[in-house]
Amino acid sequence: NAGVTQTPKFQVLKTGQSMTLQCAQDMNHEYMSWYRQDPGMGLRLIHYSVGAGITDQGEVPNGYNVSRSTTEDFPLRLLSAAPSQTSVYFCASSTYDRRYTFGSGTRLTVV
Amino acid sequence: AQSVSQHNHHVILSEAASLELGCNYSYGGTVNLFWYVQYPGQHLQLLLKYFSGDPLVKGIKGFEAEFIKSKFSFNLRKPSVQWSDTAEYFCAVSNSGGYQKVTFGIGTKLQVIP
Repeated sequence: NAGVTQTPKFQVLKTGQSMTLQCAQDMNHEYMSWYRQDPGMGLRLIHYSVGAGITDQGEVPNGYNVSRSTTEDFPLRLLSAAPSQTSVYFCASSTYDRRYTFGSGTRLTVV
Repeated sequence: AQSVSQHNHHVILSEAASLELGCNYSYGGTVNLFWYVQYPGQHLQLLLKYFSGDPLVKGIKGFEAEFIKSKFSFNLRKPSVQWSDTAEYFCAVSNSGGYQKVTFGIGTKLQVIP
């Protein structure tokens, strides 16, 4: 089925480790975003992209990097994991109308 | 910067009760408004959206929302809730025109008691 695919679904990291959360969509959507969801704080935008080669920062970009080399893929890199990055991460994509299709999420724990 | 306020963080209703969840936004220009739902253990799904035109918007599963520009509000309503409506509901706003980032509220957890 068409949609947004996130991998992995679960991950445990040690403080200081780095990793990449993968996100791929097959709907030819121009826009892709990464959010983190924390209890009592809703969804907060980390980074977003309006097309291949174009990215920008959201509300909480520190500690994260992104790139968009293709329309389909929008990986999120944690440079040096910290316990404060323990969260559920959602990737979402849309056309110009911002009607997001969300991935199923990655639950990350940093110990 | 745009922002969204959801006033009720946790709502408990009995089945067949009516629902209204508040959402207010702050932004000076023309906005697009959304309600998303997240069922337990699942990802967010779009319930309904407002871009322009009729301020009363109907979505899936019997939900509707009314855009009141003068009050900067976009409240979600349902005449009669069911146990299956137990979920977390998020209001979101984006300024219109080109691509603009979407800002979400902190969510309202709805618990429907059979």
